[in-house]
Amino acid sequence: GQQVMQIPQYQHVQEGEDFTTYCNSSTTLSNIQWYKQRPGGHPVFLIQLVKSGEVKKQKRLTFQFGEAKKNSSLHITATQTTDVGTYFCAGRKFDGYSTLTFGKGTMLLVSP
Amino acid sequence: KAGVTQTPRYLIKTRGQQVTLSCSPISGHRSVSWYQQTPGQGLQFLFEYFSETQRNKGNFPGRFSGRQFSNSRSEMNVSTLELGDSALYLCASTQTSGVNEQFFGPGTRLTVL
Repeated sequence: GQQVMQIPQYQHVQEGEDFTTYCNSSTTLSNIQWYKQRPGGHPVFLIQLVKSGEVKKQKRLTFQFGEAKKNSSLHITATQTTDVGTYFCAGRKFDGYSTLTFGKGTMLLVSP
Repeated sequence: KAGVTQTPRYLIKTRGQQVTLSCSPISGHRSVSWYQQTPGQGLQFLFEYFSETQRNKGNFPGRFSGRQFSNSRSEMNVSTLELGDSALYLCASTQTSGVNEQFFGPGTRLTVL
C-alpha cells in the first residue's frame, strides 16, 4: 500500500533558527496537504499543494511539492515558540478519489 | 459554524468490553473519516463514510466498525477491546468540494485497562 515517510521524527531548535521537515511518498501523489497539531490539540489544516514543483508561502512557512509529485517539504524561517507542535504531511494518491495517507509527523520543539 | 464535535472526550474501559464513539461533522459536510492516533504510529486511517456509505477502509481488524446516519453524524464501534486499542480517536469532516481539507474534532481519548 501507499506509504508516506516523514523525516526527521523530532527536532529541537533555538528560537530564531530555521526548521525543515521532509515528506516522501512511495507513489505519485495527486496532491499533498500539511497539518499542524499543537501539544494536546488536534491537527489543523495548513495548506494543500497540487501542481508539480509548486511553492507556496504563508508568512515564515514555505511549502514545496516536488517535480515528480512524490515528495514535499515544509520550511520555517526564524522559528518562534508559537511554532511548537507536530507537523504532518498527508498525501492523496493519483488514482481518482482516495484517502489521505498521513506521515508519522515531525515534532518541533523551540527553546526561547 | 460550529466545529466537529466528538463524544465522549475521555473513556476508560477494560479488556474485552466494547465501546462506541460519536462524531458530529460540520454542518453541510457529508464526508466523515476516522483516525487512530498513537505516539509511535502517528495518524492511522480507520474508515471514511460519505452519505451513509463506507467509501474507504483502512487496515484494521473487523473489531473496528462504523456507520453514518442520514444527518451525517457518525459512530465508530470497537468490540472486544485490547490493551493496544488505547489511543486518541480522531474524527474529521470534509466538504468534498474544493480543497477537501479535513477539519478534525478534539478526539476521544480511549484507555483500555
